[in-house]
Formats: sequence, structure tokens, C-alpha cells
Amino acid sequence: KNEVEQSPQNLTAQEGEFITINCSYSVGISALHWLQQHPGGGIVSLFMLSSGKKKHGRLIATINIQEKHSSLHITASHPRDSAVYICAPTSGTYKYIFGTGTRLKVLA
Amino acid sequence: EPEVTQTPSHQVTQMGQEVILRCVPISNHLYFYWYRQILGQKVEFLVSFYNNEISEKSEIFDDQFSVERPDGSNFTLKIRSTKLEDSAMYFCASISYNEQFFGPGTRLTVL
Repeated sequence: KNEVEQSPQNLTAQEGEFITINCSYSVGISALHWLQQHPGGGIVSLFMLSSGKKKHGRLIATINIQEKHSSLHITASHPRDSAVYICAPTSGTYKYIFGTGTRLKVLA
Repeated sequence: EPEVTQTPSHQVTQMGQEVILRCVPISNHLYFYWYRQILGQKVEFLVSFYNNEISEKSEIFDDQFSVERPDGSNFTLKIRSTKLEDSAMYFCASISYNEQFFGPGTRLTVL
């Protein structure tokens, strides 16, 4: 069983839709990161969370430490949001444990 | 803005050959990582490096792999005798305040 599970694995949305990607993890963590991987392969850090909620532009990330669950929301989605979104908890060693990723495609 | 760089962007090699993948982390960072991503699969941790020595390594990081920081700036991953299954994208990362900054990756193709 994977230590980090994401759902859905694939998601197609129409431009403007509200999108939610979920992440559940079974390991103890010090923080959880949401990453974006572009079609060319590059990985960009979106958020680092250890509790509560963070917002950056149209992106919102939440985490519930007790339930070992995090969500990434995208409001007013746009075709340029099309990418793979990866949940990656870290333990005290700062090593990322990568989720399987959610492939998002936003249609114009 | 500071960034992590990697060279080459794409390396093609014959099975059994040695390859060296190079990374230049962000200059004041202290922790360095190598990850790999086989096509279509999730990113996997290979090794972490701190204070000029390996701090943690995964099961993937066997005797065929080695890392070093030869000159205080470059951070290298060497694969001594490449296998077909080493074909993957290799990412270097360095860390600041628990957030990792990734390089653009090196695509390794073993024929």
C-alpha cells in the first residue's frame, strides 16, 4: 500500500470550474507539500503546510493533521493550470515522500 | 531569482557505461537530494546529502550509485554501470526552510 494516496488520478475540467484534489497519507509528517509538475517535467513547489489553510492566488491548500488528509483547490480553473499535481509529505529528515500525482487537464 | 541547475538536460548512454549527472544547487543551501522518475511513474527518493556525506539513501541507491560534492558547488550523481532500468528523469533538489527547490531534471536514456 502506498504511503501517500491521491484522488482522483486523472481529472478533466472545463475552464472556470472549481477543482479539488485530495491526498491521504499514512506516515507521520512534519509538513506536507503540494507540487506542480509541468508536461516538460519541471517540478515547482506550490505550498508547504503544517496546519490549517494557505491561499496563493487561485490556489488554496488545506490540511487536517488528525485525519492525515490534505486538499488542493483551484478556483476559476484555466487551461494553463493543466499539469500533474503531487502531494509530498516530509518527515523530520526533510525527505519528500511523493504521492502518485493527479493529472489535471483544463479545457478551454 | 536563484535556481537549481542540472546538466546535461538529456544523456543517452549504452548499457554498462558510467554516467555522471551534475547539479548546481542554490548557493547557501545545505541539504541536497537526488530523486528519479521512471516514465509514467511517481517520483522516487534516491539519496540525501548533508555536510559532505550521505544522510539517507533508499533501497534503489545501491552500490552502482554514488554522490559527491567535489568542489563545494557542484553536486554529482554517478551511476557506475548503467542498466536499462536506470532510464528515467533524474531530479536534483536543495532545501531551504523545509522547502525543496528542484532542478529541471536530466533525462537519462540507457540503450
